[in-house]
Amino acid sequence: GNSVTQMEGPVTLSEEAFLTINCTYTATGYPSLFWYVQYPGEGLQLLLKATKADDKGSNKGFEATYRKETTSFHLEKGSVQVSDSAVYFCALSEAKNAGNNRKLIWGLGTSLAVNP
Amino acid sequence: EAGVVQSPRYKIIEKKQPVAFWCNPISGHNTLYWYRQNLGQGPELLIRYENEEAVDDSQLPKDRFSAERLKGVDSTLKIQPAELGDSAVYLCASSLVRREGYNEQFFGPGTRLTVL
Repeated sequence: GNSVTQMEGPVTLSEEAFLTINCTYTATGYPSLFWYVQYPGEGLQLLLKATKADDKGSNKGFEATYRKETTSFHLEKGSVQVSDSAVYFCALSEAKNAGNNRKLIWGLGTSLAVNP
Repeated sequence: EAGVVQSPRYKIIEKKQPVAFWCNPISGHNTLYWYRQNLGQGPELLIRYENEEAVDDSQLPKDRFSAERLKGVDSTLKIQPAELGDSAVYLCASSLVRREGYNEQFFGPGTRLTVL
């Protein structure tokens, strides 16, 4: 079945450091891929998305590229800030026309702590 | 545009008591989801509605959990009786699912349930 695997946390960085959070997936067809972020005490927010191979999603300085050949969707940011401290979830949605099953498949989440 | 609204934000109850959570999705969204999120984990889908119909309730513990979505808008999730292991954050999400589109879900802030 479909699955998402994220790198385990917690990840601790200093402000302005480079961030990579790895995400790989297993799926049939061409799923859509998402990164969600959950700030402390808040609900999940969509950070960025990509719906087809080679698409690059970007938002708030974060980027992720949909790599079909490596089945990956790694999250990157060139210079993290303290305010980026949160839990990041990678998720996939089954390929369109995959019938009636449209649930998101979630990774376990990666906690990021950025120190000043 | 208003986001997904949930209430209450916090609830503390004694075990064996009933509890109910309410969700108002984004206007026009045809699909509504209830998730449970345990500490340090990703969301676990409990039930998914498309309009008024529950199309995926395979993960809902039907002996004590029930849900309804009258008129295809608001939804209520109930637990009766609650057990200690039900302590978690209950998230509601909604999306506008089109046959040719991807599934972008919008989340509410969640209800944090503590069962004593």
